[in-house]
Amino acid sequence: DIVLTQSPDSLAVSLGERATINCMSSQSVLFNSNNKNYLAWYQQKPGQPPKLLIYWASTRASGVPDRFRGSGSGTEFTLTISSLQAEDVAVYYCQHYYSPPRTFGQGTKVEIK
Amino acid sequence: QVQLVQSSSELRKPGASVRVSCEASGYIFTDYSINWVRQAPGQGLEWLGWIQTRTGTPTYAQAFTGRFVFSLDTSVSAAYLQINSLKTEDTAKYYCAREGASGWHDYWGQGTVVTVSS
Repeated sequence: DIVLTQSPDSLAVSLGERATINCMSSQSVLFNSNNKNYLAWYQQKPGQPPKLLIYWASTRASGVPDRFRGSGSGTEFTLTISSLQAEDVAVYYCQHYYSPPRTFGQGTKVEIK
Repeated sequence: QVQLVQSSSELRKPGASVRVSCEASGYIFTDYSINWVRQAPGQGLEWLGWIQTRTGTPTYAQAFTGRFVFSLDTSVSAAYLQINSLKTEDTAKYYCAREGASGWHDYWGQGTVVTVSS
């Protein structure tokens, strides 16, 4: 099974500052035949279901603000929130969909400093 | 608009069974698979598996083979998760999620809390 490890487990960032979350995969999730990375990012606010932010490692889902940016390839990925807003306080998860089981990272909690 | 509406919370004793429903609307049900994800209290997300809605073929994560059963009723655009021989460690919120074009989960149900306690 592919294991996704996120870092850090939590971070506190001042409003308007950048937040960076890393996701490392135990094996590559880059599918060579289409050159796509089978990795998604989700945001989960307290008491709510997860919300899709990013798929194909870097494609924003519909309606997601452009301050959210996904990057990386192969085994190392990053979610960047360029200017943290109060409404971005949440837990963020990466997930691969390369092959079953489609495991999630353990989550990164983002708070306001 | 796409919606996945799940059944309400359940309380069961160890050894009992429970069935969680997930009713879809706003799209053609058989065009997208349904995934199941659980979240234990205060914990992260755990992928249980998915069911192909066109064929009814389920795929289970290794840890969820045997007691967990996915099923469909395409006549009412619904997916079901049944858990048999419940254990206290099955206490969690269970989510259904629609699978996007290639595997990401683009729409989620609101979640169903299953509590297993004697």
